[in-house]
Amino acid sequence: SSELTQDPAVSVALGQTVRITCQGDSLRSYYASWYQQKPGQAPVLVIYGKNNRPSGIPDRFSGSSSGNTGSLTITGAQAEDEADYYCNSRDSSGNHRVFGGGTKLTVL
Amino acid sequence: EVQLVETGGGLIQPGGSLRLSCAASGFTVSSNYMSWVRQAPGKGLEWVSVIYSGGYTYYADSVKGRFTISRDNSKNTLYLQMNSLRAEDTAVYYCARELTTVTHNWFDPWGQGTLVTVSS
Repeated sequence: SSELTQDPAVSVALGQTVRITCQGDSLRSYYASWYQQKPGQAPVLVIYGKNNRPSGIPDRFSGSSSGNTGSLTITGAQAEDEADYYCNSRDSSGNHRVFGGGTKLTVL
Repeated sequence: EVQLVETGGGLIQPGGSLRLSCAASGFTVSSNYMSWVRQAPGKGLEWVSVIYSGGYTYYADSVKGRFTISRDNSKNTLYLQMNSLRAEDTAVYYCARELTTVTHNWFDPWGQGTLVTVSS
């Protein structure tokens, strides 16, 4: 199995841009998917693949990848974006899945 | 509408067993990869198990040999049989449909979760 590493906490001023990163060896082979989770709610998919947004996810959310790092960028962060964000991918075997430890985003 | 609804959580003593169910609507469970993901109180997400459309199953090391994932095609329902439960299995358990390509996987939708508490 492998691990995905995220910064525990990140903050951003309202309307500014923030990047949340996810590092792991498996990301050299697989793209990360990203999930937003608000308190007491189930996770919600926000980005998958190279840079795909599900229907209903605002276009201020975008994804990118380089080497062993996947990134989620929020351009023009809004108050409602304050949440925990998790990355996920398959592990290096391809048959297990792994989540990052999560990043708590605070919008100031 | 694509939807998942989990049931079966509750309070169980250490060493006990519990079966979680995840009823799907709007899509066919047996034609998809389906996973269980859990979240201990105040902690992050932890992948637990997956069942492929072809029936292959895989488990996290933390539950291998104790948990069994399965499905009932006639009921369009996913299950997680949990045996030899430990305090550290206490968590909200989510089921999720997993979509995959060669280069990536993603979970969508997720159920609302069901709480399992292992305590004496």
